[in-house]
Amino acid sequence: GIQVEQSPPDLILQEGANSTLRCNFSDSVNNLQWFHQNPWGQLINLFYIPSGTKQNGRLSATTVATERYSLLYISSSQTTDSGVYFCAVVKAAGNKLTFGGGTRVLVKP
Amino acid sequence: EADIYQTPRYLVIGTGKKITLECSQTMGHDKMYWYQQDPGMELHLIHYSYGVNSTEKGDLSSESTVSRIRTEHFPLTLESARPSHTSQYLCASQGLGLYEQYFGPGTRLTVT
Repeated sequence: GIQVEQSPPDLILQEGANSTLRCNFSDSVNNLQWFHQNPWGQLINLFYIPSGTKQNGRLSATTVATERYSLLYISSSQTTDSGVYFCAVVKAAGNKLTFGGGTRVLVKP
Repeated sequence: EADIYQTPRYLVIGTGKKITLECSQTMGHDKMYWYQQDPGMELHLIHYSYGVNSTEKGDLSSESTVSRIRTEHFPLTLESARPSHTSQYLCASQGLGLYEQYFGPGTRLTVT
């Protein structure tokens, strides 16, 4: 199956700092989603981004499908950004989401 | 966005009990999924359904079973709970022809 690797595994930030999370995948994909899992376990959809660049407030994401990676940018981080960020992909011609191992983010006040 | 509901949110139960975790969605999505997740770890697909009376096992072997009698409802059942079933269970749905999956709030199950 397709492999999804996220880096770094853990990230500690001071409030106000910027950061970049990376997702590498091993095969062509037709779906890529970024999620934020809050401390209560809820998965929140951040971006559906199989290619290109999107922005939503302080968050933005870029997927370079030909090079098989995606980046999630967090700017001016806030304590509410803490949690686990997951990248998940669907292999081209497939139909099931495969998740990466996540990046655990802690934003300190 | 989809409205997906899961009940109960938290459940502590003894070994050997039968349990059903409920999942329902109000968007008329054809595709529904169950994932299992240990705390802070990646999600693993255990069951999915592409429509009424259609269910398939996912990538991670699970002793649970599912049913899909109505489009909006996708319950998961454990006939005899064991401590190894302790985990978080997340339900998701996806519309036909759409790519995004939307997740419910999850059920955190503890079997003692």
